[in-house]
Amino acid sequence: AIRLTQSPSSLSASVGDRVTITCRASQGISSALAWHQQNPGKAPKLLIYDASSLESGVPSRFSGSGSGTDFTLTISSLQPEDSATYYCQQSNSYPLTFGGGTKVEIK
Amino acid sequence: EVQLVESGGGLVQPGGSLRLSCAASGFTFSVFDVHWVRQLTGKRLEWVSAIGAAGDTYYPDSLKGRFTISRENAKNSFYLQINSLRAEDTAVYYCARGELGIGMDVWGKGTTVTVSS
Repeated sequence: AIRLTQSPSSLSASVGDRVTITCRASQGISSALAWHQQNPGKAPKLLIYDASSLESGVPSRFSGSGSGTDFTLTISSLQPEDSATYYCQQSNSYPLTFGGGTKVEIK
Repeated sequence: EVQLVESGGGLVQPGGSLRLSCAASGFTFSVFDVHWVRQLTGKRLEWVSAIGAAGDTYYPDSLKGRFTISRENAKNSFYLQINSLRAEDTAVYYCARGELGIGMDVWGKGTTVTVSS
């Protein structure tokens, strides 16, 4: 199975900061990577698919990049409502796998 | 509105069985791949199973044998049968829609399964 390693596991940043989360795949997955946001007690929500495509309705401050094994989720200007846990997920091949998550907190 | 709604969770004794259901609405269910994903008590997300539009099924090696996914297009529904339940199966189980190469774009709100005596 393809292993996804996310870093950092948690971070704390101020409103307006630029935040970057990385996801590394144990083998190449082309651009078949998605990013999901999850708030406590809620289901995950798709933010980015195909590594860099913004899901409809998601604010443009979210962006994704990368291909092969190294991927990045960037929040250009952190907002209070962005406090959540973020997961990467590969959809290149079965079995599908998720990263361990990055908890983003607001200072 | 595109929607997935899970049902069937609850408290089950170790060794018992459970059937989870997911009802889809707001889209042409029959043409989409659909999935079950669980969130374990440590918050890790684990993909459990998928069934394609053609009825092909997929499982991680660690769960093969105890989990069975099925779908009923006439009812816009799909299911997860779990047998020989263990304490480590305790989790919130989500159903989701998604295609290879895209990811899961629609999620249900989840149903909680607790395995305990």
